[in-house]
Amino acid sequence: QKEVEQDPGPLSVPEGAIVSLNCTYSNSAFQYFMWYRQYSRKGPELLMYTYSSGNKEDGRFTAQVDKSSKYISLFIRDSQPSDSATYLCAGYRGSTLGRLYFGRGTQLTVWP
Amino acid sequence: EAGVTQFPSHSVIEKGQTVTLRCDPISGHDNLYWYRRVMGKEIKFLLHFVKESKQDESGMPNNRFLAERTGGTYSTLKVQPAELEDSGVYFCASSRPTGEGETQYFGPGTRLLVL
Repeated sequence: QKEVEQDPGPLSVPEGAIVSLNCTYSNSAFQYFMWYRQYSRKGPELLMYTYSSGNKEDGRFTAQVDKSSKYISLFIRDSQPSDSATYLCAGYRGSTLGRLYFGRGTQLTVWP
Repeated sequence: EAGVTQFPSHSVIEKGQTVTLRCDPISGHDNLYWYRRVMGKEIKFLLHFVKESKQDESGMPNNRFLAERTGGTYSTLKVQPAELEDSGVYFCASSRPTGEGETQYFGPGTRLLVL
């Protein structure tokens, strides 16, 4: 079983739509949960991270973690064409074990 | 502040040849990570340096892969001899030693194709 499962999509939405991206994970030792955004031919760029369960909001982006169901979500409000990218979720155990466990990534296209 | 840089951006080699990838982390970042993405799969961890020491190399696929970080600055990842299944995008990331919840900054990757 993979550590982090993510539907690769692709997902296509019109500009202004609310986008919901989701992952599940199996490793109960994960303490931090990250969302990375990757544009074509670029490296992943950290969007936001949450510690343990709960919500975190940053502008149009909201990250949610439900540790009881091992479910990670990213919501994008008022989506823009510039949000078109691949979104990667990742889990991280913390401490000195710095490795990230990534999902496959969801390819998102926001059309004008 | 300059980001993580990787060289080369692309490499096409034949099976059996040797390839060396280089990563220059952000200045002052003691943590350096190598990851790899094989087509259609998730990005997978290869190894983690803290300064010049290997903290975790549990993700290295086999002994054809050799990573070094002399002097705790840049790092190289050598594949010798390369096999077809080594094709993929190799990412390097670095972070400061802040402990919990550290942000890993990724380079643009090296696209390796083994023919």
